[in-house]
Formats: sequence, C-alpha cells, structure tokens
Amino acid sequence: DAGVIQSPRHEVTEMGQEVTLRCKPISGHDYLFWYRQTMMRGLELLIYFNNNVPIDDSGMPEDRFSAKMPNASFSTLKIQPSEPRDSAVYFCASSLGGRPNQPQHFGDGTRLSIL
Amino acid sequence: KQEVTQIPAALSVPEGENLVLNCSFTDSAIYNLQWFRQDPGKGLTSLLLIQSSQREQTSGRLNASLDKSSGRSTLYIAASQPGDSATYLCAVNRDDMRFGAGTRLTVKP
Repeated sequence: DAGVIQSPRHEVTEMGQEVTLRCKPISGHDYLFWYRQTMMRGLELLIYFNNNVPIDDSGMPEDRFSAKMPNASFSTLKIQPSEPRDSAVYFCASSLGGRPNQPQHFGDGTRLSIL
Repeated sequence: KQEVTQIPAALSVPEGENLVLNCSFTDSAIYNLQWFRQDPGKGLTSLLLIQSSQREQTSGRLNASLDKSSGRSTLYIAASQPGDSATYLCAVNRDDMRFGAGTRLTVKP
C-alpha cells in the first residue's frame, strides 16, 4: 500500500525563483495537510484540505505561499517568489474520515534550500 | 494558544533499558494525542494515537498514556533496542495539530 508521496525530495534554487512542491495522498484519504519543519520553529501546520477544499490556511506565512488541490489525488504548495527564510523541510500528510479520530500519515518530505 | 513541551530534549540509554518520554500540553480540550517517530531525513511515522476519552494505548513494546486533566502524556518504551534510536514527537489535535519539539533518543548497543 503506497504511502503519501512527495516530490521532489530535495530542491535547491535561487532566491526569487518559483518553487512548486507536490503531494499525492494515500488513496481514499479525504484530508490533506501541508506542514513546514525548521529547527527554530519545529513542525507547523500551513494549510489543510477536506475533500479538495481548503479549510484552514491560517498557518500560511505570507501571500507568497499558495496551495491547491485540483483533485483527490494531487496537491501542490507553491512559493513565489522564494526567499532564503523559506528554507525548511515541507511535509504533506493525509488522513481518512476526519481529523479528530484518525491518525495522520506523513510523506518523507521535501527539503527546500533557497540560496 | 496550545503549547506542547517535550522533556527531555535528548536522551541516551544503553540497550535493554526501559524508558519514558514525556509530553505536556497547556490546553486540555483536545480531540486526541498522537506519538510519532522521525528518522533522520524521513517523514513522521505514527506510533500511537490516543483519543481524548482513552487513558492509554499499547503497540508491542510501546505504551502511551494520557492524562488530559493534568495535560500530560508519556510514551513508555520497554526493552529498548538500537533500532529505536530516532526523534519522538507528540502532537495534540484540536482546532489544528500542535507538535512538540521532540525528544532525540539514542540507544547504545
């Protein structure tokens, strides 16, 4: 059974460039979450979707960040323009049937470095 | 605002020891609490999830307890092995999921 799949695993790009991170949730899961992990702030929830609809994006740091979920099997997190302080590991997670009762399953993350 | 704290930040034990990792949270109004394991360069692997109405959950050598009224959870690892070496994070779930900073565990052969 395939888990949550994220791509790319590593991304190095120059400041000002557009960055797109991709996520494929576990088939059948109806919740999808994007997190960011840094040494200073730990794991932070950026945004989550239910049935492809964004529910809470209050964790998105700035307007430079945007996320979409065009269908049940794909989501993107975009940063435009990127800045060095965006360097972090970005995780995608999915769960089935509602946050309160079901565990979240994480992908291996995308390690993003902005030079 | 929910604050989640994990103590200790790092722990080193010899193989075979039983150990306890601690997690505390400031707002007891939670849906559940989840313990994760994170290996270097990897995502999080869910270990145990305790619903707010439960007191503990067990999986193999792992036992997690939850005391909502005091805002505490513990993860007990029995007979530790070198393969248990990883960072362990707890997360409380209500309006969003709040993570602790983790405890980095090293089990020495």
